[in-house]
Order: sequence, then C-alpha cells, then structure tokens
Amino acid sequence: EPEVTQTPSHQVTQMGQEVILRCVPISNHLYFYWYRQILGQKVEFLVSFYNNEISEKSEIFDDQFSVERPDGSNFTLKIRSTKLEDSAMYFCASSESGRSYEQYFGPGTRLTVT
Amino acid sequence: GENVEQHPSTLSVQEGDSAVIKCTYSDSASNYFPWYKQELGKGPQLIIDIRSNVGEKKDQRIAVTLNKTAKHFSLHITETQPEDSAVYFCAASIESNFGNEKLTFGTGTRLTIIP
Repeated sequence: EPEVTQTPSHQVTQMGQEVILRCVPISNHLYFYWYRQILGQKVEFLVSFYNNEISEKSEIFDDQFSVERPDGSNFTLKIRSTKLEDSAMYFCASSESGRSYEQYFGPGTRLTVT
Repeated sequence: GENVEQHPSTLSVQEGDSAVIKCTYSDSASNYFPWYKQELGKGPQLIIDIRSNVGEKKDQRIAVTLNKTAKHFSLHITETQPEDSAVYFCAASIESNFGNEKLTFGTGTRLTIIP
C-alpha cells in the first residue's frame, strides 16, 4: 500500500541553525501538508500546499518557515533559524484530489533543537 | 477558527468491552470528521471518517456517529483487543471542491486495553 515517507526520522540541531525536513508524498496525491506535534500535545496544522503554492498557513508558520516542492516527488519544510521551541515531531501529510479527501500522514521527523 | 474538544483524555477498558471517545466542534461549516490512531513513535493513521451528509458509519469493530445539530461526533470501538491500545485523535475539516482545508485536531485520548 502506498505511504508517505519522511527523512530523517530524527534531526538534532543547534539553536539558530537551518534545517530541512523532507517528505515524499503518495505519488498520485496533489495536496500536501505539514503538521507538528509538541511532545504530549495535539497535532497542529502548519501549512497546506497545492499547485506549487501555499493554500493556507497557520500563525505558527512565520517567516522562518518555508515549504517547497523542488521536484516531482519531494516536499520539504525549511526552518531558517531554529529556536528551542521548534522542538517537536513534524508530520507530512498528503491527500488526493477528486472523490477522496482523506489525509495520509507520514511517520514524522523528530526535531530536537539544543 | 475551528476548535475541537475531545474527552476523555485517558480511557482504560477491559479487553472485550467497548470504548467510546467523544468530540465536539465549534465551526458549523465543518463537514468532514476523521479519526486517527497514533501508536508510539508513529504518525497518525486514519482509521475511519465521516462526512456531514451521514449520521453513522461502521467498519468492522469501529463505528463513528455524528450529530450535526449538537456539533458532536463519537468513536465507538467494540470487542476491544490489546492492539487497540494507542492514542486516538478526532479532527474536523471543511471539504471544498478544491480539496481539504486544514485538519483541526482534538487533544487526544490515550486508550489502554486491559488484558
């Protein structure tokens, strides 16, 4: 069964450094999302992406965040200057256009900012 | 914006008994309500969903009910098994002709099945 994949599974970085989290959505999906989950808390929406542009973003998704689909398969989240409070699990999700609107999540990247 | 409340935060049931998790939502425009199961160290896994044009949906031991008037939806798991132990999240979204908008998640329920 097709699935969303994410790399790396765990990323440790120092405060102020840039990180890029990578996702490969399900191949025939057209809508892409990033969510994050701070340890023990609910999953929070960050950004949605369709047709090579941001559809919607939350207030969490400030100028230090950016997303990109650099080729036909990858979808990336960049954090320009990481802060301690960026430590969280970051989940990529994708959904298909047409009749099916279900969002399928990847296994996540655990980001630890020290 | 949408706000989703979920109860209880923890739930322990004997194996074989039923478990019920309840959620309420605030935005009457929400029309898509998925439930996700999250096992330790993994991403949320979609287990069942319901759209606002139906009141109930069932898939084997799992069922979801929706009361649009009360803005309330529930997950029912019957004949619980140890592998049902996980954190369950409800969510709400607005489906449009262009695809889903964002999912707003509840706070999660940690379900423990006691053998």
